[in-house]
Amino acid sequence: DAGVIQSPRHEVTEMGQEVTLRCKPISGHDYLFWYRQTMMRGLELLIYFNNNVPIDDSGMPEDRFSAKMPNASFSTLKIQPSEPRDSAVYFCASSLGDYLLETQYFGPGTRLLVL
Amino acid sequence: AQTVTQSQPEMSVQEAETVTLSCTYDTSENNYYLFWYKQPPSRQMILVIRQEAYKQQNATENRFSVNFQKAAKSFSLKISDSQLGDTAMYFCALRGGSNYKLTFGKGTLLTVNP
Repeated sequence: DAGVIQSPRHEVTEMGQEVTLRCKPISGHDYLFWYRQTMMRGLELLIYFNNNVPIDDSGMPEDRFSAKMPNASFSTLKIQPSEPRDSAVYFCASSLGDYLLETQYFGPGTRLLVL
Repeated sequence: AQTVTQSQPEMSVQEAETVTLSCTYDTSENNYYLFWYKQPPSRQMILVIRQEAYKQQNATENRFSVNFQKAAKSFSLKISDSQLGDTAMYFCALRGGSNYKLTFGKGTLLTVNP
């Protein structure tokens, strides 16, 4: 399996622009997670999906952030409008729904820089 | 609420030696899982080892082993025969009960010196 795939790997944009991050989970995984990593706050869970349905979005920082999962093999995290404080590495992870196999497998991350 | 604390921001070890990274946690769940993830300079998060709280036996994966002290809420990682490729940030993480959220510690930067 190719693992979790994220695109783009790097994104540089200007404040106010819309940013869309993409994720393809491991085939067969029922859970998908979006994390943000910064020096100040470490790794934070933003939102997670089960069978394409958002379960917990309490970590989404504000209304400028939105996430969708239109099907089992694709998810997006959108920031509109972007701000410099959104600069971070964004990780997507997926896991099987089986309770005994709950290890989360992470993608390579998208490094976002908002100027 | 769940918390994970890693009290060692940075550590270093000589190649071939053994090093132990500390982690303490807090949770109100009776059943939970603990993980150590490695993040090398490539920034990818890689699972190193995991431990189910209901298992008393410490998990082992090749050169990596844990010392799980449930009463003390401690979950340390021991790396034996350290290799240069072990240089990375190491994160301790906790997942409690039926909640699929992972709570991460701040990480420990491990440098293996030749």
